Amino acid sequence: DAGITQSPRHKVTETGTPVTLRCHQTENHRYMYWYRQDPGHGLRLIHYSYGVKDTDKGEVSDGYSVSRSKTEDFLLTLESATSSQTSVYFCAIRAGLAANTDTQYFGPGTRLTVL
Amino acid sequence: QKEVEQNSGPLSVPEGAIASLNCTYSDRVSQSFFWYRQYSGKSPELIMSIYSNGDKEDGRFTAQLNKASQYVSLLIRDSQPSDSATYLCAVRLGTNAGKSTFGDGTTLTVKP
Repeated sequence: DAGITQSPRHKVTETGTPVTLRCHQTENHRYMYWYRQDPGHGLRLIHYSYGVKDTDKGEVSDGYSVSRSKTEDFLLTLESATSSQTSVYFCAIRAGLAANTDTQYFGPGTRLTVL
Repeated sequence: QKEVEQNSGPLSVPEGAIASLNCTYSDRVSQSFFWYRQYSGKSPELIMSIYSNGDKEDGRFTAQLNKASQYVSLLIRDSQPSDSATYLCAVRLGTNAGKSTFGDGTTLTVKP
């Protein structure tokens, strides 16, 4: 599992409330990613980080923000949750940075329901 | 046109048969290609990576890459019921960010 944990694993919240999801890794990987997965869709990148305090947007970043104050933690925040953000959220790390060896490993996921 | 497209499923094969999963991609500068297996309710698990044209074999799995045709496939030989899962194709550009684009997945069912 590449030492990746996500918390909480399940969360139900109400529209308009802020929500923060946490991804924690124990192997000092530089790159971390947040994806969402919806039924019938593959994984879509929300935000990613390439170091402490270094983050950038993915393809579906609207309504989300991230922070990385320590190498091991990457936080995803929904400032004001909407029902369209009901999804399964996966964190991933990038291991092996050489051109022909880099791979991504995923955390166990967080199932978020916004009522 | 989607950046990464997979053959629409679901795909059903009998136990012991060969399952063939296909993926096409639109960006010619793509460098790295991955197949993930995802069981229902679980996270994606990397099963194959391929970086150069040709075939790459790992046990019962063979990944095939043809960059000229922008096509990557996964063959599963001697399919087992435990292979029943959704298979995700992922493509990565040759950039330092290591961002991957995923297809929507193909669901495979192997019937005993």
